[in-house]
This record gives sequence, structure tokens and C-alpha cells, in this order.
Amino acid sequence: NAGVTQTPKFQVLKTGQSMTLQCAQDMNHNSMYWYRQDPGMGLRLIYYSASEGTTDKGEVPNGYNVSRLNKREFSLRLESAAPSQTSVYFCASSASANSPLHFGNGTRLTVT
Amino acid sequence: QKEVEQNSGPLSVPEGAIASLNCTYSDRVSQSFFWYRQYSGKSPELIMSIYSNGDKEDGRFTAQLNKASQYVSLLIRDSQPSDSATYLCAVIFNDYKLSFGAGTTVTVRA
Repeated sequence: NAGVTQTPKFQVLKTGQSMTLQCAQDMNHNSMYWYRQDPGMGLRLIYYSASEGTTDKGEVPNGYNVSRLNKREFSLRLESAAPSQTSVYFCASSASANSPLHFGNGTRLTVT
Repeated sequence: QKEVEQNSGPLSVPEGAIASLNCTYSDRVSQSFFWYRQYSGKSPELIMSIYSNGDKEDGRFTAQLNKASQYVSLLIRDSQPSDSATYLCAVIFNDYKLSFGAGTTVTVRA
């Protein structure tokens, strides 16, 4: 049982480049989330999807877009990367909006 | 004011001692409370969830919740070097968004 799978694990971008972070879960969870983690800042919610077909902004959505492709997959897109987006990104899923989260292994992104 | 605040670390305890971690949250309707453990370079993993006032024990871990005081804590008994990690407090508020504290780093000295 893979749980939550994120790709890629590492990525280096130049300012202005675009990329999509992929996330898939095989637990039949309804809700999916994207967080970023920066030193001293904890985990901050970027976007979430309470159920298939819905998405909503979190605490720090600027510069990002998301797509809930189906129940399994939730992608995060950076249209024009900036150095401030250098961070570790975690995808997570939960059975429902009130359930604990299960995290993927993370993507370490560096924007130069 | 942050929605979820944790006592500042790092916290260093000798092996076999009790590690006490504290977390307070803002005055909003809250649903569920969680403690996650995160090893350096790894993703957070759930170690405890608590939904009602009182204590909940799971092995060497005890979570305590006091909604009137907006306070949730985690006790780690008989601390082991493998408990050295960052512990994250998380709260689900009535908008169903999970908010995390900044974390407390615990080091267990052998």
C-alpha cells in the first residue's frame, strides 16, 4: 500500500520557469491538501480539496494553482517560479475534512 | 496572533525522563486535535489524535485536551533517543482547515 505518492522528490528551477508537482493517493480518501514547510514557519496550507471537483485556497495560495484531476490525484502548479517559493512541499490526504492527514514524502524545491 | 502556538524549543531531556510539550490555539470553534512527529528530512507522521476533553494514552504517549483553556499537551514517558524529533501540534477549526504550530524540537540525551 503506497499511501500518498509525490513526484518529483527534488527539483531545481530558475526564476520564471514553471512546473507541476504531482500527488496521488491510493487510500480512497476524499480530501487532499498541499502544504509548504519553511524553517521556523511550520506547515502552511497552500490549497486544499475537500472532495473531488472542489478546491479552495489556504493560507498562502499566491503564485500557485491546483487541479483535482480525479479522486486520487491532486496537482500543484507553479506558473512562474520565484525564489520565495523555495521550500519543501508536502501533499497530504484524509478520509474526510475532520480526519487526520496522511503525508507524502515531500518535494524539495529550490528556485534560483 | 498565530492560530496554533507551541512552546519554544528546543527541549532536551535525559533518556528515561518525561518530555512535556504544550500547545495553545486561538479562540475559534475547533473540532479535532493531533500530534505529529517529524524526523529531520522526513514527512510528518501522526502519533496521537484527541477529540474530547481529558487524557488519551497510547503506549508511552499521553495527549491531554482542555477546550475551556484552549490547551492541548503531549507527554512522552520513558523518553528514548529514537524520540528525538520535531513534534507538531495541529488543530482542525470549524472551517475544516488543519492548522499547524511551528513545532517543538525534542532531543533525548543518552
